Amino acid sequence: DIQMTQSPSSLSASVGDRVTITCRASQSISSYLNWYQQKPGKAPKLLIYAASSLQSGVPSRFSGSGSGTDFTLTISSLQPEDFATYYCQQSYSTPGTFGQGTRLEIK
Amino acid sequence: EVQLVQSGAEVKKPGESLKISCKGSGYSFTSYWIGWVRQMPGKGLEWMGIIYPGDSDTRYSPSFQGQVTISADKSISTAYLQWSSLKASDTAMYYCARTVVVPAAKTYYFDYWGQGTLVTVSS
Repeated sequence: DIQMTQSPSSLSASVGDRVTITCRASQSISSYLNWYQQKPGKAPKLLIYAASSLQSGVPSRFSGSGSGTDFTLTISSLQPEDFATYYCQQSYSTPGTFGQGTRLEIK
Repeated sequence: EVQLVQSGAEVKKPGESLKISCKGSGYSFTSYWIGWVRQMPGKGLEWMGIIYPGDSDTRYSPSFQGQVTISADKSISTAYLQWSSLKASDTAMYYCARTVVVPAAKTYYFDYWGQGTLVTVSS
């Protein structure tokens, strides 16, 4: 299986901050990387697919970049509703392994 | 509107069997893969497997192969996840998710998710 490692595991930030979360794959996965947001007690929500494509309905403050083994999710200006846990997922092969998650908390 | 509606929470004893369901609506059920994802209490997401309801082609994660069975009944637009003998370690939230496959790019992603089914296994 391809291993996905996110950093940091947790992050404290303030409303209006620019935040970047990193995801690294154990081997090259081209641009086959998805990002999800999960709020407590809720199902995950797709934000970004294929590394940089914004899912319909997702605010443009979310963006993704990267290819090969290194990827980033950037939130350009944090809003109160963005405090959640974020997961990357590789879709280069099955099983489509997830990163361990990054918990984004209010400072 | 695309919807995936999962069956309700279950409380079972170790050794018991269980089958949970995921009913799709608002789209062509036979044209999209359905995936299952496990989330143990306080933990991250784990990819369990996917099924194509059109022909029941199924792929499992090696971690879950032989531990669960994924199936689908396309006549009622429903996918299933089942256990023949539950363990306490199966206690988790289980999500189903519609899987979009991009053939040209040979990639996929989960675009719509069910609300989750909480399975508790305790003696």
